[in-house]
Amino acid sequence: SQQGEEDPQALSIQEGENATMNCSYKTSINNLQWYRQNSGRGLVHLILIRSNEREKHSGRLRVTLDTSKKSSSLLITASRAADTASYFCATDAKVQGAQKLVFGQGTRLTINP
Amino acid sequence: DGGITQSPKYLFRKEGQNVTLSCEQNLNHDAMYWYRQDPGQGLRLIYYSQIVNDFQKGDIAEGYSVSREKKESFPLTVTSAQKNPTAFYLCASSYQGSGNTIYFGEGSWLTVV
Repeated sequence: SQQGEEDPQALSIQEGENATMNCSYKTSINNLQWYRQNSGRGLVHLILIRSNEREKHSGRLRVTLDTSKKSSSLLITASRAADTASYFCATDAKVQGAQKLVFGQGTRLTINP
Repeated sequence: DGGITQSPKYLFRKEGQNVTLSCEQNLNHDAMYWYRQDPGQGLRLIYYSQIVNDFQKGDIAEGYSVSREKKESFPLTVTSAQKNPTAFYLCASSYQGSGNTIYFGEGSWLTVV
């Protein structure tokens, strides 16, 4: 099964509201990253949080990490229509002896004007 | 401009044909990756290479082949043995080691006709 799983699978909110997406994972990690993908495009890195960090900010983005619960959340404040995209978490972990970046299934975020 | 270039953007393959997707990076990254993405799904790792002339299978390598003769280039061949090749293919690169951001190309759409 997937190392990282996002929740919810889809989220639709009004412009100006905050959007929260969650990611859960199964094994110990070195760090966790969040990426954004516009439809039909490549992924763009948003933020990286290391296993010894609990919270990180970048502009309107806030990421938290709870290693005891093996979960992370991405908060986008004051959402804009341009934030409409899919958001993926990726965990940097050892899988079958090799260091790999494993992506979740993503959350499809729609911001309604 | 620095970045990752994938070509072609759209490719149609007939049954029984091999096709090769190109990926070139000028970021001086050691590691390169190929991912497959099916509609509405996350990314699955096909192959990765941490250094020239070396590469490892990812989670879904069957029916695919790669080469890494140059640091800048990591072409992916989708062979006729891949029974369901219609998907979005993403190439990526990064510096070696844990915790490094992965940079993605814009992707290639492959359709079997």
